[in-house]
Amino acid sequence: QVQLVQSGAEVKKPGSSVKVSCKASGSTFSTYSFSWVRQAPGQGLEWMGGIIPMFGTPNYAQKFQGRVTITADESTSTAYMELSSLRSEDTAVYYCARGSCSSTTCYNPIGNWGQGSLVTVSS
Amino acid sequence: EIVMTQSPATLSVSPGDRATLSCRASQSVRSNLAWYQQKPGQAPRLLIYDASTRAAGFPAKFSGRGSGTEFTLTISSLQSEDFAVYYCQQYNDWPSFGQGTKLEIK
Repeated sequence: QVQLVQSGAEVKKPGSSVKVSCKASGSTFSTYSFSWVRQAPGQGLEWMGGIIPMFGTPNYAQKFQGRVTITADESTSTAYMELSSLRSEDTAVYYCARGSCSSTTCYNPIGNWGQGSLVTVSS
Repeated sequence: EIVMTQSPATLSVSPGDRATLSCRASQSVRSNLAWYQQKPGQAPRLLIYDASTRAAGFPAKFSGRGSGTEFTLTISSLQSEDFAVYYCQQYNDWPSFGQGTKLEIK
């Protein structure tokens, strides 16, 4: 089973940016999708966007368009999520999740999640 | 964007009983529907995918049904470890989650 290991907790000031990484073990990095899902304290799950490394073009949820950048580095099997213009409401645990491709979508869930990265936005 | 609506928000059930959770999509997602179980302090764990296929590690007491816009997750013979928050997620379009159903002990 591929493991997804995320970067550690961060504390950021309002208005700044944060970049979270998700390193995948194993060799089949490029043919899977990597989604970013966040969960604010006591709240539900929210899909922010994703990327399929072999295609390179990210997809973003409308809510985060213009504020989130998702990238993937095939040489290190690492996916990244950068969120800018941080505000207190962005305080959350950020998860990466791997998905598989079929004929209709590349976001088929396969149950492979990172451990989560807590981002705290506070002045 | 496809909106997923789960009901009820909280479900109180006694151990040994059966629980039925519902999930509705704002438009058809065919069978591209997953269910996750989440316990406090843990990442979500994939429970059901393709509307009715159980993920590895979950027993037959967990069953998913539905297609199109209406889906249900049924958990029979509830045990203490089954009490958690359950989320549905569609992946027919850009993925989206329901707001979750908290299954609590009655």
